[in-house]
Amino acid sequence: EAEVAQSPRYKITEKSQAVAFWCDPISGHATLYWYRQILGQGPELLVQFQDESVVDDSQLPKDRFSAERLKGVDSTLKIQPAELGDSAMYLCASSHDRVVGNTEAFFGQGTRLTVV
Amino acid sequence: DAKTTQPNSMESNEEEPVHLPCNHSTISGTDYIHWYRQLPSQGPEYVIHGLTSNVNNRMASLAIAEDRKSSTLILHRATLRDAAVYYCILRDHSGNNAGNMLTFGGGTRLMVKP
Repeated sequence: EAEVAQSPRYKITEKSQAVAFWCDPISGHATLYWYRQILGQGPELLVQFQDESVVDDSQLPKDRFSAERLKGVDSTLKIQPAELGDSAMYLCASSHDRVVGNTEAFFGQGTRLTVV
Repeated sequence: DAKTTQPNSMESNEEEPVHLPCNHSTISGTDYIHWYRQLPSQGPEYVIHGLTSNVNNRMASLAIAEDRKSSTLILHRATLRDAAVYYCILRDHSGNNAGNMLTFGGGTRLMVKP
């Protein structure tokens, strides 16, 4: 069964360092999402791609976060410099959305980031 | 964005039905009602979605009120594996990119007692 792949599963980094997360969506899925989930809260959308274009990045802290999906397939989310408050689970999801709103999204297992 | 309201937590006994409510009084005619759940230490997973009619699948049933201002996710026979946070989300299908958005609230934490 096709899955959304994320790596690494766990990452510990020191504050002020750079960190990057990778996501490979299900083949053929045009829409890709990055979420941040703080313990005890629901996932918060950081950025949404439609193919290689950013659809929504209104909640992405652009002074330190960047995201790209250069060929419209896999994607990278980067934080530079990392801060203690960035400790969270980072989730990637994808959907094909041929009929807008009427399709399901598939989530990866996430990357657990700890900033020390 | 149209918002949803869910109870913070619910308890159920194993092997009994569970009814998880969701209020969405500002729903628009083009909003689909989606449900996802998140098991501990995992990413969310899709459960079910519908527009106007009740829906059934192998995981659950979705009952949608006639005025569409509320819905109920029904787990017919709760198991310990159903203990999770359940999220009710509205997704617009009017055709613009905003319809692809998937915005999570706080969800309902379901606890299942043996």
